[in-house]
Amino acid sequence: EILVTQSPATLSVSPGETATLSCRASQSVTTNLAWYQQRPGQAPRLLIYGASTRALGIPARFSGGGSGTEFTLTISSLQSEDFAVYYCQQYNAWPPLFTFGPGTKVGL
Amino acid sequence: EVQLLETGGGLIQPGESLKLSCEASGFTVGSRHISWVRQTPGKGLEWVSLIYSDGNTYYADSVRGRFSISRDNSKNTLYLQVNSLRAEDTAVYYCALISSGWKRGPFDYWGQGTLVTVSS
Repeated sequence: EILVTQSPATLSVSPGETATLSCRASQSVTTNLAWYQQRPGQAPRLLIYGASTRALGIPARFSGGGSGTEFTLTISSLQSEDFAVYYCQQYNAWPPLFTFGPGTKVGL
Repeated sequence: EVQLLETGGGLIQPGESLKLSCEASGFTVGSRHISWVRQTPGKGLEWVSLIYSDGNTYYADSVRGRFSISRDNSKNTLYLQVNSLRAEDTAVYYCALISSGWKRGPFDYWGQGTLVTVSS
């Protein structure tokens, strides 16, 4: 099983600042890596897939990078609605066994 | 517009069974790859099961042999039969769609979830 870890567990930032979140896979997932945002009481929302492609309707302040085992999500000019928990997920394993990271909580 | 609506959750005793439903609109369930993903209270996300458009099914080790995924194309609905429930199965259960058609793809649409609580 491919294990996925995230750091930091919590990140304190202020509106207008830049947040950088990290995700690491226990073995290469090439670029089969997605990022999701989850606000309280809501379902996860896809932000980034293919490690760096923004999903439909996602603002340009969200950007993803990396390949293999190391990935980052950058949120530029943080807005109040961006305070949430962010999960990364690998979808490279075959037979399919999708695994999520434990999440990074972005807040004040 | 793609929409997913889960129902069927509730309070259930250990060892009992439940059938969760996910009614889809905006696409046909038989033509897409759809998963169940669960989230334990206050914790993270765990993939549970997947059915591909070709009908092949896959399960997480933690539920294999107890859970069964299926679909009814005439009702455009996905199901998860959950048997021999344990306290650790307590979670919000989401259905999630891979709309791209890739067998390795992200979950780009999610339902709002249905809560299953296993407790005596």
